[in-house]
Amino acid sequence: KAGVTQTPRYLIKTRGQQVTLSCSPISGHRSVSWYQQTPGQGLQFLFEYFSETQRNKGNFPGRFSGRQFSNSRSEMNVSTLELGDSALYLCASRDHRGNTEAFFGQGTRLTVV
Amino acid sequence: GNSVTQMEGPVTLSEEAFLTINCTYTATGYPSLFWYVQYPGEGLQLLLKATKADDKGSNKGFEATYRKETTSFHLEKGSVQVSDSAVYFCALTDYKLSFGAGTTVTVRA
Repeated sequence: KAGVTQTPRYLIKTRGQQVTLSCSPISGHRSVSWYQQTPGQGLQFLFEYFSETQRNKGNFPGRFSGRQFSNSRSEMNVSTLELGDSALYLCASRDHRGNTEAFFGQGTRLTVV
Repeated sequence: GNSVTQMEGPVTLSEEAFLTINCTYTATGYPSLFWYVQYPGEGLQLLLKATKADDKGSNKGFEATYRKETTSFHLEKGSVQVSDSAVYFCALTDYKLSFGAGTTVTVRA
């Protein structure tokens, strides 16, 4: 079956702009999580959505937001971009049972200039 | 809460050398444990997993055993190749996923 699909793969934005990233999980998976990966901070958890509801949230400012649709596809939005938001944004999907592995997309590389 | 501590590296090895990456965890429940690998420019791929104590996960020559008594899940490979150069992440889940900081491994020919 198809894996996790993230679009776009690469983005270049200017400071102050906003950006929306998209993630389509594996068919049947209802949990979608988002991570930010940077060389300095490593892999940091942003939030998790399950059945259209935010289930967990990391320690990021309110400029970072997300949502999940009824078909489990998810989007994350970053408003008022800062240079420090440049990172690889990874999406992961899991099925609805606990203690299961996550499957990751290839990520979206965001560069803020 | 749950947490994972792993050897941060970087680790540099010659081809055919033995690789060990240490991982220990703190968890209140009975988590499942995972090793993920990330190749340059890619997302994370599941390398192996173990769901209960004394389980051994294995894949592509890598192995790790779930040790509840030492709360560890060390990754090992007997003979590494240049293609094993990547970043390795230890992780656990007790409904919520927690990752270690990642270990960069470079294998020289």
